[in-house]
Amino acid sequence: GAVVSQHPSRVICKSGTSVKIECRSLDFQATTMFWYRQFPKQSLMLMATSNEGSKATYEQGVEKDKFLINHASLTLSTLTVTSAHPEDSSFYICSASQQGTYEQYFGPGTRLTVT
Amino acid sequence: GQNIDQPTEMTATEGAIVQINCTYQTSGFNGLFWYQQHAGEAPTFLSYNVLDGLEEKGRFSSFLSRSKGYSYLLLKELQMKDSASYLCAAYNYGQNFVFGPGTRLSVLP
Repeated sequence: GAVVSQHPSRVICKSGTSVKIECRSLDFQATTMFWYRQFPKQSLMLMATSNEGSKATYEQGVEKDKFLINHASLTLSTLTVTSAHPEDSSFYICSASQQGTYEQYFGPGTRLTVT
Repeated sequence: GQNIDQPTEMTATEGAIVQINCTYQTSGFNGLFWYQQHAGEAPTFLSYNVLDGLEEKGRFSSFLSRSKGYSYLLLKELQMKDSASYLCAAYNYGQNFVFGPGTRLSVLP
């Protein structure tokens, strides 16, 4: 149990375009979802925390107008990178947790390359 | 502020024992996670310590000292497949996770 999927696994887009990444909890209801970004040989950097039905809480330095997060249901959260630039190229990982539990379950990640 | 520190890289020999240390200073600390991450993949859960002491799980053990803000992950009988990054993460009240920089472990034959 506790499987989280992400789609797409890899995406290449042109500079200036927008990209949407989906994160789904397949067999449990995720009251909270987390979005991380990871640059090569670096650790995970939390971008934002989203609770179902409410606005996401962004970490300091993360532009909320550039990284749009929607958590419309208990099984789906989306991250949209708007007007992507080459410096947005990174590995984006989501994780999900259930209410009252401490563990977070990670998705397989999405490798974004902006050309 | 919140700060978590780990060694950047470690090297060990197959069959040996290695200890990866993690020190933390966070607000509202609740517990300490350890994750394993292979290159290009998402992290996988290894352990979670809330109370002081050592928790053993097969070849992997994790220790926590809340008073010292210190944890370590102990890997025994190292195998080549253990070559990966090991991330410690503090779990704070309010479901806030703060990850350390990660330790890249290389296991040599």
